[in-house]
Amino acid sequence: ILNVEQSPQSLHVQEGDSTNFTCSFPSSNFYALHWYRWETAKSPEALFVMTLNGDEKKKGRISATLNTKEGYSYLYIKGSQPEDSATYLCAFNDYKLSFGAGTTVTVRA
Amino acid sequence: ETGVTQSPTHLIKTRGQQVTLRCSSQSGHNTVSWYQQALGQGPQFIFQYYREEENGRGNFPPRFSGLQFPNYSSELNVNALELDDSALYLCASSLSGGAYEQYFGPGTRLTVT
Repeated sequence: ILNVEQSPQSLHVQEGDSTNFTCSFPSSNFYALHWYRWETAKSPEALFVMTLNGDEKKKGRISATLNTKEGYSYLYIKGSQPEDSATYLCAFNDYKLSFGAGTTVTVRA
Repeated sequence: ETGVTQSPTHLIKTRGQQVTLRCSSQSGHNTVSWYQQALGQGPQFIFQYYREEENGRGNFPPRFSGLQFPNYSSELNVNALELDDSALYLCASSLSGGAYEQYFGPGTRLTVT
């Protein structure tokens, strides 16, 4: 069973503030790392698929970086808005997705 | 383009019963993966079906079984339900086997009493 860990488990952010959180994964036999955003009562939505060491991806105010040698990825939210409130899941791809438990972000207006 | 749909949305079963959950894959996708999300955990891989054949299985007992139909929709069957089977069950479809670019449905919430 692959150990994919996310921290913190939850965080509260004031509207307009920026934040970031971490996903750690095994550094050996790396293929890809996925980030999903999951709002309550909706389907998980794919944000990024990251494959190369040093990858940086951006979608609007959300961006992610990848370090495969040390086995971690950061997800950043710049200028948080209430609509960014969701659980953010990372998943290590070893032909199947092995998910972390997620970081739940609550943005206070 | 129709997304991934799952039915039912919620259901309640009694310990020892059997349950069938259904998933319709996104148009053009031939692969369906099933995941179980227990409270406080990330989704756990149950199994994957690719072109009607099982294509990988996670650490779940044989009482978890599945099917994929010629139209690539899929069923997850769980026999002899246990209290610990209470969870959200997600399905995800993709264009080919493996884990690349999976698109998720909203899930079925199963409660076992």
